[in-house]
Amino acid sequence: SQQGEEDPQALSIQEGENATMNCSYKTSINNLQWYRQNSGRGLVHLILIRSNEREKHSGRLRVTLDTSKKSSSLLITASRAADTASYFCAPSGGSNYKLTFGKGTLLTVNP
Amino acid sequence: SAVISQKPSRDICQRGTSLTIQCQVDSQVTMMFWYRQQPGQSLTLIATANQGSEATYESGFVIDKFPISRPNLTFSTLTVSNMSPEDSSIYLCSVTGVENAGELFFGEGSRLTVL
Repeated sequence: SQQGEEDPQALSIQEGENATMNCSYKTSINNLQWYRQNSGRGLVHLILIRSNEREKHSGRLRVTLDTSKKSSSLLITASRAADTASYFCAPSGGSNYKLTFGKGTLLTVNP
Repeated sequence: SAVISQKPSRDICQRGTSLTIQCQVDSQVTMMFWYRQQPGQSLTLIATANQGSEATYESGFVIDKFPISRPNLTFSTLTVSNMSPEDSSIYLCSVTGVENAGELFFGEGSRLTVL
């Protein structure tokens, strides 16, 4: 399994603004997943985008995938204080379901 | 999605002791994994818990230090043996979804502090 690299490492915005975080990876994938972790808690799966998909939506989340650039982005629209968390991407290339996580993006949404 | 219960949720342990963490899932799942998250760090995969056979450990982790059991498709344990302060971490159990689409579901974690 390969590790994604999230950018930026930290992001601070005001409530109501949009938040965009990026992920880069190195080798070809079957899918790429985004997870959220509230402080000290378990990870929550947000969205999975397959390698043949370019964009996917789920509520206020929009994920894009550019396999030619080996990158993905996660957009959270109309952010809320409750969106404050660390966000991780996890590129997946194999069938063993093992995921490797990078350092993540720490998003702080200020009320 | 699977519902995962981990016990204990937190504990304070003495150096040199061992602690076993339990992970119970409300449905049969194919894959179960154990991760460690040291303070301020990302998650590191410890091992894949294999049902009825020895776990598959990642580089840097050994069975003597982190023995794992998985007697059936819904339950696993991770033991942290002969603990030192460096073992102070959150330990997380994760499982694949029932439909095996590739996503993982995580327990709330077990926060261990070793004095």
